[in-house]
Amino acid sequence: TQLLEQSPQFLSIQEGENLTVYCNSSSVFSSLQWYRQEPGEGPVLLVTVVTGGEVKKLKRLTFQFGDARKDSSLHITAAQPGDTGLYLCANLRYGGSQGNLIFGKGTKLSVKP
Amino acid sequence: KAGVTQTPRYLIKTRGQQVTLSCSPISGHRSVSWYQQTPGQGLQFLFEYFSETQRNKGNFPGRFSGRQFSNSRSEMNVSTLELGDSALYLCASSFWAGKDRVEAFFGQGTRLTVV
Repeated sequence: TQLLEQSPQFLSIQEGENLTVYCNSSSVFSSLQWYRQEPGEGPVLLVTVVTGGEVKKLKRLTFQFGDARKDSSLHITAAQPGDTGLYLCANLRYGGSQGNLIFGKGTKLSVKP
Repeated sequence: KAGVTQTPRYLIKTRGQQVTLSCSPISGHRSVSWYQQTPGQGLQFLFEYFSETQRNKGNFPGRFSGRQFSNSRSEMNVSTLELGDSALYLCASSFWAGKDRVEAFFGQGTRLTVV
């Protein structure tokens, strides 16, 4: 079973700071997804990366997929309190299933005003 | 377009009881998956249903079961509840968005507390 390791586990920063969170595996990802989960809500899909070396930007969020497709990072520029939440990476487990996602344990981000 | 709806939002049950949770997926989505989220283990896959058939099952005991109806709505049932079953239960409906791409949409979850 492929394990996804996320770091750091917790991150508390001030508004305006930059941060990077990481997702790593010992196996190659077919694709990787990043989700954000706010308290009391379900996870919301932010992005899917598929190609090694791929970089995707979503406003102040930059997602990078490692060349070897074993790691990914999420960089947030000028963090805002609204970025507070649990950031999860997930990998699709194949076997004909479209719903079998394996999740990392997440990075809990707190952005203080 | 309505999102994924889970009911109830909160539930308190006693050890030994059973519970049924409900999930209505996004219209047109035929795949429904269930996940258990706890602080210690994170999000763990329970099972997936597609067109009323269980397609995949995670590593959970047989006390956890589910089903899907012809309108794609799904229910999950936990029998003989244990304290360790206290968790947020999340339902997701999804569809293929291209090669290696799945779009999964989660409900708000049902917070189950077993006392």
